[in-house]
Amino acid sequence: GESVGLHLPTLSVQEGDNSIINCAYSNSASDYFIWYKQESGKGPQFIIDIRSNMDKRQGQRVTVLLNKTVKHLSLQIAATQPGDSAVYFCAVFGNEKLTFGTGTRLTIIP
Amino acid sequence: DVKVTQSSRYLVKRTGEKVFLECVQDMDHENMFWYRQDPGLGLRLIYFSYDVKMKEKGDIPEGYSVSREKKERFSLILESASTNQTSMYLCASSLASGRLYGYTFGSGTRLTVV
Repeated sequence: GESVGLHLPTLSVQEGDNSIINCAYSNSASDYFIWYKQESGKGPQFIIDIRSNMDKRQGQRVTVLLNKTVKHLSLQIAATQPGDSAVYFCAVFGNEKLTFGTGTRLTIIP
Repeated sequence: DVKVTQSSRYLVKRTGEKVFLECVQDMDHENMFWYRQDPGLGLRLIYFSYDVKMKEKGDIPEGYSVSREKKERFSLILESASTNQTSMYLCASSLASGRLYGYTFGSGTRLTVV
């Protein structure tokens, strides 16, 4: 089955700097990838997604990069703000199932 | 704004009790899911449903059952609650083509079994 891991359980970033959160997956047949943000006391919220026929997708202040060769994706947050403090999950869709990583807690240093 | 609503934010139940967790979505989504979320383990799929009256086991169905009598409502049932079922429970829904759309999650129910 699919396994999904995030490289760091925690990440601290200075306010205004860029944040990079990484995720690795195991199933080369995975074809759809999603990043979620979970703030304290709330359910995960959709941030951005990318399909396997793309290697980069940009949203507002966020960019997702997909490297299918090494089965790695990353979430980049530009000009990190206090409101970006949360746990970030990647989710990988393959074999008709969505598998979640364990999450990286992003802390913003004022 | 689309919504997935879980009826309780916090629940405390005793060991052996039968527990019902309710989830309602207003998006006319076909697919609904129940996950539990534990520190260091991420989200693990308990059960899911692609249609009314239909259910499929996820990765950790033991000790749980589900009910989907109406399209908008998906209930998770703990037949006899145990302390190892203390967890955050998250309900989610998606359109029929779940692979093309992200899941929409509820705010979660934090269940404590004592």
